[in-house]
Amino acid sequence: QKEVEQDPGPLSVPEGAIVSLNCTYSNSAFQYFMWYRQYSRKGPELLMYTYSSGNKEDGRFTAQVDKSSKYISLFIRDSQPSDSATYLCAMRGTGGFKTIFGAGTRLFVKA
Amino acid sequence: ETGVTQSPTHLIKTRGQQVTLRCSSQSGHNTVSWYQQALGQGPQFIFQYYREEENGRGNFPPRFSGLQFPNYSSELNVNALELDDSALYLCASSLELYQETQYFGPGTRLLVL
Repeated sequence: QKEVEQDPGPLSVPEGAIVSLNCTYSNSAFQYFMWYRQYSRKGPELLMYTYSSGNKEDGRFTAQVDKSSKYISLFIRDSQPSDSATYLCAMRGTGGFKTIFGAGTRLFVKA
Repeated sequence: ETGVTQSPTHLIKTRGQQVTLRCSSQSGHNTVSWYQQALGQGPQFIFQYYREEENGRGNFPPRFSGLQFPNYSSELNVNALELDDSALYLCASSLELYQETQYFGPGTRLLVL
């Protein structure tokens, strides 16, 4: 079993839709949870990070962490064609040097 | 742009050869991590350097080695290349250790034939 599981998609939605992206994990030592966006032929770009449980909002993006269920989510409101990319969840423990990434979910937002 | 650059952008090698990939971090960033991203997969941690010393390593064999230099540049060396080494190699820099904000370069795409 992988430490971090993420549905690779692809996920196709119409412009303006609310997008929900999710990851599950098995290591209860993870404390830092990140979401990255990766456009084709580019390196990943950090969107948001959350420490421990709770919600965090930044513009159209909301990250949620449920440590009791070992489940994290990223919501994108009013999705735009420019949001079309691969979204990677990532996580690590406190003081840990190793960041573990999910496989990434490919998102297509149709105009 | 993140300010992290990598060279070359693409590379083709044959099995058994050796390769050196280069990364230039943002000025002042003391930590650099290297990742391997196979097609359709997320990045896998190879190792991390902090102030020119290896700080941690993932599940990669010793033929993967690295160096970090005082001028915020670094190298990833891979010896005895195998077909499965074909991937996108990413470096990511951050100011200090254990920071969530890593800045990734665009990567080097390596093809091993």
